[in-house]
Amino acid sequence: GAVVSQHPSWVICKSGTSVKIECRSLDFQATTMFWYRQFPKQSLMLMATSNEGSKATYEQGVEKDKFLINHASLTLSTLTVTSAHPEDSSFYICSATVPDFTQPQHFGDGTRLSIL
Amino acid sequence: AQKITQTQPGMFVQEKEAVTLDCTYDTSDQSYGLFWYKQPSSGEMIFLIYQGSYDEQNATEGRYSLNFQKARKSANLVISASQLGDSAMYFCAMREDPSYGGSQGNLIFGKGTKLSVKP
Repeated sequence: GAVVSQHPSWVICKSGTSVKIECRSLDFQATTMFWYRQFPKQSLMLMATSNEGSKATYEQGVEKDKFLINHASLTLSTLTVTSAHPEDSSFYICSATVPDFTQPQHFGDGTRLSIL
Repeated sequence: AQKITQTQPGMFVQEKEAVTLDCTYDTSDQSYGLFWYKQPSSGEMIFLIYQGSYDEQNATEGRYSLNFQKARKSANLVISASQLGDSAMYFCAMREDPSYGGSQGNLIFGKGTKLSVKP
């Protein structure tokens, strides 16, 4: 099946640090990538939709200046959490897909972010 | 209003028994896809099975089958012969056809059901 690589798996850093998370589709060209956030024992919450070569579309309530998304190629999207604070601590997970809505989204393994 | 409803926060099943995880959905679109994902405690999302809105037959993938009742807007997951490794969170999700507008093609998730398999 399709493989999506997400890096890093774990990040622990001090408050005020900016953290970059990479999401790569390894064996297919992902026209669209999605970024989700998941709190403990809750479902996945869509943060933003990232299309190659265009600006990301953010969901209501998600600060685009806090969560910078770049989708520079068909295989790579990055999420940068700028000036992270403890309330940004969470599990972040990306998915990659092709335009065909009948196809599943393929997920990275997620990134556990802890801000001290 | 919730688009995907999973009414069972937690379920227990005896090893080797079958279990049904419930999912109902709400959409006015005629064209959509329904998906089930498994999330173990390690966090990764594992795709299990897909059902298209126009599919007349229920989808099956190994021990997984989907009981699709379109008129009732339900898409229940059936796991046969449960194994200890099936213990995980299970999410039902829907992807609407973006060509009808209003959808970006993203997955809409339910709140999930935590399945625990007892030895």
